[in-house]
Amino acid sequence: AQSVTQPDIHITVSEGASLELRCNYSYGATPYLFWYVQSPGQGLQLLLKYFSGDTLVQGIKGFEAEFKRSQSSFNLRKPSVHWSDAAEYFCAVGNFGNEKLTFGTGTRLTIIP
Amino acid sequence: NAGVTQTPKFRVLKTGQSMTLLCAQDMNHEYMYWYRQDPGMGLRLIHYSVGEGTTAKGEVPDGYNVSRLKKQNFLLGLESAAPSQTSVYFCASSHWGGRAYNEQFFGPGTRLTVL
Repeated sequence: AQSVTQPDIHITVSEGASLELRCNYSYGATPYLFWYVQSPGQGLQLLLKYFSGDTLVQGIKGFEAEFKRSQSSFNLRKPSVHWSDAAEYFCAVGNFGNEKLTFGTGTRLTIIP
Repeated sequence: NAGVTQTPKFRVLKTGQSMTLLCAQDMNHEYMYWYRQDPGMGLRLIHYSVGEGTTAKGEVPDGYNVSRLKKQNFLLGLESAAPSQTSVYFCASSHWGGRAYNEQFFGPGTRLTVL
């Protein structure tokens, strides 16, 4: 069975600082990996996804993520955060032939001035 | 193009009452999903549907029923609400193009409180 771990429940960073949110997955074959963002009181919006090819994927809002098979990781990064990036971030994993995604428990990001 | 919409946005029920949450999508997606979101637990799949007239159980189906009579609508029912069903409910849909990595599109959520 596939599973996702987001080890950081809450992260606080200063505006303008760099960000890395961790995501580790468990799945035997090549997974399909997603990062979603949820602003307060809103639904989830896709930031980026990986399913094959270049292991560094670019997303919206200046985010990127790198798939590292050897570490079973798909960490989300942004070089310089903005106050509007404050939100909850979810990593999710899927696989070929499975119409369901498995979500991590989320990481809440707080931005301080 | 409204995407995925959910009705109602908020609801307060008393224990034992019933209600139906409506999800509608205008993207002609084949797949639809119902999740619940609770603090510290992420999103957990309740039920899902891979097409009109079909439904399947997810991770936490007990106490819920669903129906997909029309391709664009997916209903979630609570027959006898319990306080443990207090949660935020999200509907999502996705397109099946023969590839499982198509993204899911989410609605804005329904906040349900059961007293």
